[in-house]
Amino acid sequence: DSGVTQTPKHLITATGQRVTLRCSPRSGDLSVYWYQQSLDQGLQFLIQYYNGEERAKGNILERFSAQQFPDLHSELNLSSLELGDSALYFCASSHLQEDTGELFFGEGSRLTVL
Amino acid sequence: AQSVSQHNHHVILSEAASLELGCNYSYGGTVNLFWYVQYPGQHLQLLLKYFSGDPLVKGIKGFEAEFIKSKFSFNLRKPSVQWSDTAEYFCAVNAGGYNKLIFGAGTRLAVHP
Repeated sequence: DSGVTQTPKHLITATGQRVTLRCSPRSGDLSVYWYQQSLDQGLQFLIQYYNGEERAKGNILERFSAQQFPDLHSELNLSSLELGDSALYFCASSHLQEDTGELFFGEGSRLTVL
Repeated sequence: AQSVSQHNHHVILSEAASLELGCNYSYGGTVNLFWYVQYPGQHLQLLLKYFSGDPLVKGIKGFEAEFIKSKFSFNLRKPSVQWSDTAEYFCAVNAGGYNKLIFGAGTRLAVHP
């Protein structure tokens, strides 16, 4: 158990819909990262938050947004869903502000868009 | 742009065979290098890491990796694999000044008893 909790584990929805994925970091970790894992793109960095503020942005679509709340949990919002958004979405956390790469991953939320 | 290449997408070995998974990255500056492992149905977890110092690093479960700066490589090795090593292995790079971890495409290892 990494200490990072993600919900829901599985989600099936239709094109055009909106979903929210939730992540609770390890106790004491201030940084939260979101990654998307798909068969054709591999593991792609989406976005990082540190202590409530956006710290770094990767290949995140404009239809996607995220935030980190005062209690440090984070949510990833995916809207106007397309078939190609079907993927495994991982949250990871670390204590350090700078991303040295030593991250602790959750088990992921598997999104299926039909 | 930075990238990470893992040479083998699928590797099949018998127990006790030796393992070497290749990883090359493209970035000319200072890097932090990692191998993560994802066992079936589980989350990604850190296998080993290299920040600086001895280029031969040892990780958990008997794995080791060697950083060869001149070849931009960070290959993963294990002298004798076990069935329980069946998993997907990801090489990752964090390049200085960039707040993101870049992953390779992963290598699926299947170890047969």
